[in-house]
Formats: sequence, structure tokens, C-alpha cells
Amino acid sequence: EVQLLESGGGLVQPGGSLRLSCAASGFTFSNYAVTWVRQAPGKGLEWVSGISGSGGSTHYADSVKGRFTISRDNSKNTLYLQMSSLRAEDTAVYYCAKKIGANGGTFDYWGQGTLVTVSS
Amino acid sequence: DIQMTQSPSSLSASVGDRVTITCRASQGISNYLAWFQQQPGKAPKSLIYAASSLQSGVPSRFSGSGSGTDFTLTISSLQPEDFGTYYCQQYNSFPLTFGGGTKVEIK
Repeated sequence: EVQLLESGGGLVQPGGSLRLSCAASGFTFSNYAVTWVRQAPGKGLEWVSGISGSGGSTHYADSVKGRFTISRDNSKNTLYLQMSSLRAEDTAVYYCAKKIGANGGTFDYWGQGTLVTVSS
Repeated sequence: DIQMTQSPSSLSASVGDRVTITCRASQGISNYLAWFQQQPGKAPKSLIYAASSLQSGVPSRFSGSGSGTDFTLTISSLQPEDFGTYYCQQYNSFPLTFGGGTKVEIK
């Protein structure tokens, strides 16, 4: 059974940093691209960042480019999102999602999400 | 960026009704279109990919169609557990983008 478990969310002050993790199981992690999607309170879904199965290709939304860094450790079956220079508008539930393929494609499995609150 | 526009933004229908949600892309995306369902307080669930292919385990009352810029999600016979918000998403090019969502309420 495919499982994705996010962790690392919490309350952080504006300008601060936070690292999210997503532990994957039930599939060969290195064979699939994975991604982060967020949802601000009461709002819709927003794609944040994605990384290929090998980790050699990454993509970012303009809203987070230069502030967030996506990475993965295939030996630990774990996806990361390093977030810095956080702003109030980054407040959201952050979901990790597995993609259908090694590079492109859409998502087939989602984690339950972790809440990030940016506030003083 | 490719803009995704869904309509309606909300609807209310009875059990057994046929429900149709439309999604329009601001430029052609071939069939690189997915649909997701999200119930309150839960993570999204993947329903359809490649415009018309059902994800594993998704009931056959869900179907998708379309290509290019215009797409449709149809629920052939609405069930009580189908409430929630439905989102379309294009994966033709980065940044990946979602529609604004369609909230489905059961009468």
C-alpha cells in the first residue's frame, strides 16, 4: 500500500525557516517523481514544487522560487521541502504527492498534509 | 502560465442525478488533464488522469472527456459520498495549475 506521511509543519515567524519531510513507503521511491502542493485556509490547491525520481530535475512555482528548495534522499525514501524567508501568504496545508511516472505526469497518491502557519 | 477555469463554482444535486463539471484551459493541453476530489478536512483524492483514464479504485460512475482546451467530468449517478470539491489540473507544462474548484452538495 502506497503511503506518504508529511511532517515538520508548525508555527514560524515571518522571515523564518522550516523544513518539511515526506516519508514514502509501499513503492520504489526512486522510480517516481514527487511533488509538493499547498492549500491556504479556505482556498484552492496550488502546486509548489516537483522533483524527478533521480533528483536531477526540479521545478518551482514563481511564488516560491528562490525561497524554497525541494530535495529527496532515495536511500531514506524521503522527500524534503526547505522553506526560508517565509511570508504570511505561505500559510497553508502542505501535501506531498506521488507522480505517475519518473518525470512528468500527474499525481496518483497524496499524503494527509502538514500545516504551516507563518505568523508573529 | 496556463489558466484553468472551472464551471460551475458550486452545484447542488440529488442522489441519482447526472452531474457535469466543465474545465477550460487557456491554451491547448492535449489530454494532459487530471481531476481530483477533496472532501472537507481531507487530502485530495485522484480520480482521473489523461483526461479520461480512471485511477485505480475509482467507481465507474465517474468519467472524463475532452481534449485540447475543453474538458468534462461527469458523475453518471450521484451518490451521497460524492460530496466535496472537485478540481481539474493541467500537467502539459510547468507550472502545473489547478482550476478554482467546483463544490458539489447533495440535496
